[in-house]
Amino acid sequence: GAVVSQHPSRVICKSGTSVKIECRSLDFQATTMFWYRQFPKKSLMLMATSNEGSKATYEQGVEKDKFLINHASLTLSTLTVTSAHPEDSSFYICSAQGRPGDTQYFGPGTRLTVL
Amino acid sequence: AQKVTQAQTEISVVEKEDVTLDCVYETRDTTYYLFWYKQPPSGELVFLIRRNSFDEQNEISGRYSWNFQKSTSSFNFTITASQVVDSAVYFCALSEALNFNKFYFGSGTKLNVKP
Repeated sequence: GAVVSQHPSRVICKSGTSVKIECRSLDFQATTMFWYRQFPKKSLMLMATSNEGSKATYEQGVEKDKFLINHASLTLSTLTVTSAHPEDSSFYICSAQGRPGDTQYFGPGTRLTVL
Repeated sequence: AQKVTQAQTEISVVEKEDVTLDCVYETRDTTYYLFWYKQPPSGELVFLIRRNSFDEQNEISGRYSWNFQKSTSSFNFTITASQVVDSAVYFCALSEALNFNKFYFGSGTKLNVKP
């Protein structure tokens, strides 16, 4: 149990385009989903927390207009990187949590490369 | 100040050796959770253990064991008889009662197990 998927696993895009990444909890309902960013050989940085049906809460320094998060259902959250630039290239990982305080289960990550 | 410190950036051992990964945390909360996750080269974070602050019993799961010591604010992870498949980056994380949803990750320890 507790499987989280992400799609796509890898994406390459041109500078200025937008990219959407999906995060799905496959066998449980996730009231909360989290989006992290991981730079090479670095730890995970929490970008935002999203609760189903409400606006995401962004961490300090994360541009909400740049990284649009939608949590439309209890099993799906999306992260859209708008007008992507090379500095947005990174490994984006989502996690899902059934109830507040529960363990977070992580997706396999999406490697974004912006040319 | 960093809430979770993993001082060992990288460790290399030979197969069958035992290895301990250190984790020191800092919190003012009396109620908190500690976690260990494994990140193999594929990128997906695999949940290993969650321990709450009121449970100081050490835990053993197969070749894995965890030593939680509140007196030294440490939550160390030992792999006995290491195997090549144990090669990965291991992250220790903390969540506090103030906001259980927010995970503070350590910088990770890369473990290389050589045959």
